[in-house]
Amino acid sequence: NAGVMQNPRHLVRRRGQEARLRCSPMKGHSHVYWYRQLPEEGLKFMVYLQKENIIDESGMPKERFSAEFPKEGPSILRIQQVVRGDSAAYFCASSSTGASTYEQYFGPGTRLTVT
Amino acid sequence: AQKITQTQPGMFVQEKEAVTLDCTYDTSDQSYGLFWYKQPSSGEMIFLIYQGSYDEQNATEGRYSLNFQKARKSANLVISASQLGDSAMYFCAMREARGGGFKTIFGAGTRLFVKA
Repeated sequence: NAGVMQNPRHLVRRRGQEARLRCSPMKGHSHVYWYRQLPEEGLKFMVYLQKENIIDESGMPKERFSAEFPKEGPSILRIQQVVRGDSAAYFCASSSTGASTYEQYFGPGTRLTVT
Repeated sequence: AQKITQTQPGMFVQEKEAVTLDCTYDTSDQSYGLFWYKQPSSGEMIFLIYQGSYDEQNATEGRYSLNFQKARKSANLVISASQLGDSAMYFCAMREARGGGFKTIFGAGTRLFVKA
């Protein structure tokens, strides 16, 4: 039973390029969450998605960042025109449906470096 | 606004001794969950322990226990019999229901150093 998968694990981009981070939730999970961790800091919530819907994007920067979770395929976090301040670890987590569950499973993270 | 506070940026503990990592939280919700995660130098987030707001007993998982004091809004992690492999960052987190799922807020973390 595979866990949450993220790829790539490491991504290097030059300023101005686009970064695409992918997250495949655990089998049977329809809720996906993205978090960002700056060096020496805790994780910061970015966005919560269900299949084809953005439920809460209160943590997403207003510009250059977008996220989707299509009906088929992984969730994508897209950062356009990256800047050095975007360098961070980006974690994806997933959970199953149902109010009784509390477990949120994290992927290994994607470490983005902007040069 | 919901908030998690970890006041200890770094902690030292002697191997085989117990250590308490502090966490206080602030929320107006009645239903919430409290978590502790471990992040070793390799970077992954490892779930350690969970406490629901309505749970009357403190959660325990092996050498980890959560000292939950609801009136004081604190959820301290106690690690007994520390091991060298416990050296890592530890994050306290709070989860609140949102739209059928959850939104998790993390504290700034405490870096634990276990001395031989």
